[in-house]
Amino acid sequence: ILNVEQSPQSLHVQEGDSTNFTCSFPSSNFYALHWYRWETAKSPEALFVMTLNGDEKKKGRISATLNTKEGYSYLYIKGSQPEDSATYLCAFSGTYKYIFGTGTRLKVLA
Amino acid sequence: GAGVSQTPSNKVTEKGKYVELRCDPISGHTALYWYRQSLGQGPEFLIYFQGTGAADDSGLPNDRFFAVRPEGSVSTLKIQRTERGDSAVYLCASSFLAGGYTGELFFGEGSRLTVL
Repeated sequence: ILNVEQSPQSLHVQEGDSTNFTCSFPSSNFYALHWYRWETAKSPEALFVMTLNGDEKKKGRISATLNTKEGYSYLYIKGSQPEDSATYLCAFSGTYKYIFGTGTRLKVLA
Repeated sequence: GAGVSQTPSNKVTEKGKYVELRCDPISGHTALYWYRQSLGQGPEFLIYFQGTGAADDSGLPNDRFFAVRPEGSVSTLKIQRTERGDSAVYLCASSFLAGGYTGELFFGEGSRLTVL
């Protein structure tokens, strides 16, 4: 059974703080690792897809890294803002099946 | 529309009733997925369509669940004899696959099912 784990489960930070979350996944049969952002009452939205060991992606204040050999990815948010409040999901795609973690629920306090 | 559309957005039903949830994917996307998200869990894979055929339905929990995609576009997830444990958000996603499974999934906003 393929298992994708995310930590922490939830997180409260103050506006302006930087934070990071972890996603661990199986290191075999790896195609890609995806990060999604899911705001309440909206659809999950893709942030990054990474395929190569050592990949680093950045979008504004959010960045992500990938280590396929040890099976983990980090998502970093620099200078958190209230609008960053959402659930952050990672997903492992080894074949056509995308396996999601349970997500990290981030709340940024103004 | 430009995105994935799911209807209804909310459905409240009584135990034992039949429910249909509809997904209208992005035009041209050949791959379509159904996921279910229960409280405190991540999205759980249910079924994957490539074109009209269900390429993998291994995630459907039991034979009360069935999904179709007769013309390779709109899909309907059907749940018979609903149980309280079926209460969840049902997410649909579509993707255009071109030689691999690294593509982005485009999600709808989900259908929230509550079984009383």
